[in-house]
Amino acid sequence: NAGVTQTPKFQVLKTGQSMTLQCAQDMNHEYMSWYRQDPGMGLRLIHYSVGAGITDQGEVPNGYNVSRSTTEDFPLRLLSAAPSQTSVYFCASSATGTGGEAFFGQGTRLTVV
Amino acid sequence: KQEVTQIPAALSVPEGENLVLNCSFTDSAIYNLQWFRQDPGKGLTSLLLIQSSQREQTSGRLNASLDKSSGRSTLYIAASQPGDSATYLCAVLRDSNYQLIWGAGTKLIIKP
Repeated sequence: NAGVTQTPKFQVLKTGQSMTLQCAQDMNHEYMSWYRQDPGMGLRLIHYSVGAGITDQGEVPNGYNVSRSTTEDFPLRLLSAAPSQTSVYFCASSATGTGGEAFFGQGTRLTVV
Repeated sequence: KQEVTQIPAALSVPEGENLVLNCSFTDSAIYNLQWFRQDPGKGLTSLLLIQSSQREQTSGRLNASLDKSSGRSTLYIAASQPGDSATYLCAVLRDSNYQLIWGAGTKLIIKP
């Protein structure tokens, strides 16, 4: 079972470049979310979605965009990369039918230079 | 505002010892609480999920308890092994939406 798949695993961007982090899940979960993990800050919610066509902002949404056109996919777009966006990004999915247990992808380590 | 605290931040024990990791939260209105394991440079692996109506969950050598009234959860690891070395994170799921609120983690080192 694939679970939650994130691509790429590593990425280096120059300041001002844009890119999309991909996230796909094959568990038919309605909830998907993006977190960033920074040393000393823990994990913080960027954006989340409660179903196809519905997205909302989390704790740190500035500089990021999301869309949810299908249940399976939840891409995260960096509009104009900044060094402050250097972080490890995790995508997660969950469903009420499984008690809200969250499943995570392996993460994307992003460096903005 | 929900806040999650994990104590201690780091723990080093000899192999074979039983140990307890602590997680506390400020708002008892939670949907569930999850314990995760994270190895260096790796993703998050779910260890145990405790629903708000449950008191504990067990998986192998791991046992997690939940006391909503006191805002506490503990992760008990029996007969620790060097392979248990990792960072352990707890996260609570709020009632109002599906946002996980995270503790900062406990870095565990098991010495052979």
